[in-house]
Amino acid sequence: AQRVTQPEKLLSVFKGAPVELKCNYSYSGSPELFWYVQYSRQRLQLLLRHISRESIKGFTADLNKGETSFHLKKPFAQEEDSAMYYCARPFEAGNNRKLIWGLGTSLAVNP
Amino acid sequence: GAGVSQTPSNKVTEKGKYVELRCDPISGHTALYWYRQSLGQGPEFLIYFQGTGAADDSGLPNDRFFAVRPEGSVSTLKIQRTERGDSAVYLCASSLTSNYEQFFGPGTRLTVL
Repeated sequence: AQRVTQPEKLLSVFKGAPVELKCNYSYSGSPELFWYVQYSRQRLQLLLRHISRESIKGFTADLNKGETSFHLKKPFAQEEDSAMYYCARPFEAGNNRKLIWGLGTSLAVNP
Repeated sequence: GAGVSQTPSNKVTEKGKYVELRCDPISGHTALYWYRQSLGQGPEFLIYFQGTGAADDSGLPNDRFFAVRPEGSVSTLKIQRTERGDSAVYLCASSLTSNYEQFFGPGTRLTVL
C-alpha cells in the first residue's frame, strides 16, 4: 500500500534556527508529493508541491527518489511558521487523485 | 471568490442518531472529496465525486456512511446510527478537475456522545 510517513509528531525550534520537517513515502514509480499547512484555526492549504519547485514563505522541499523522501526545509524559522504540516501524495486510480496523508508534524517556533 | 464552505461547523449528537454534513464546493469545481480526520491523525479519504457520481467510495468505513451530490455541486455526507468512534473532523475539498489543486473547507467537527 502507498504510504506517507512523517516520523516527528512535534518539532520545536527557536526563531531564526533552521528547520527540517521529514517526509518519506513508499516507492511507486514517479511520485507526486505535496506539503499542506494548517495554521491555528484555519483550514488546510497547499504550501508547495514538488512539481512546481517553488519556494513558498521561504520553505523548499526537494524530492529525493533514492531516499524516497520529500523533506520540508526553511533556513530561518519565524514564529508565524508555527503550524501543523502534512505531507501528502495522490493515490491515482483513473481520474481519482485522492490524497494519502502523513500523520502530520506540529511545528512550534519559539521566540 | 468564496472558498469551500461546510456546515455545520460543529455538530454534537447522541449515539444512534442520524446526521448530515454539508459541503459547498467552489463554483465550477467538478471534483469533490470527503476526508475524515481523527485526533492526532492525518486526513483519511472517504469518497470522491466527479460531477454527480461517486467515482470512488472505497474509503467509507461501513454502510452507515453515505454521500450524495445530486446536482454536481453541493454534497451531503450522511451518517446513520452514529457511534462514538465516528467522532472526528470531516473535511471536504474540491478541485477544478481531478488534476488540479484541492481546496479544503474548514471542516465539520462531529462529536458523538
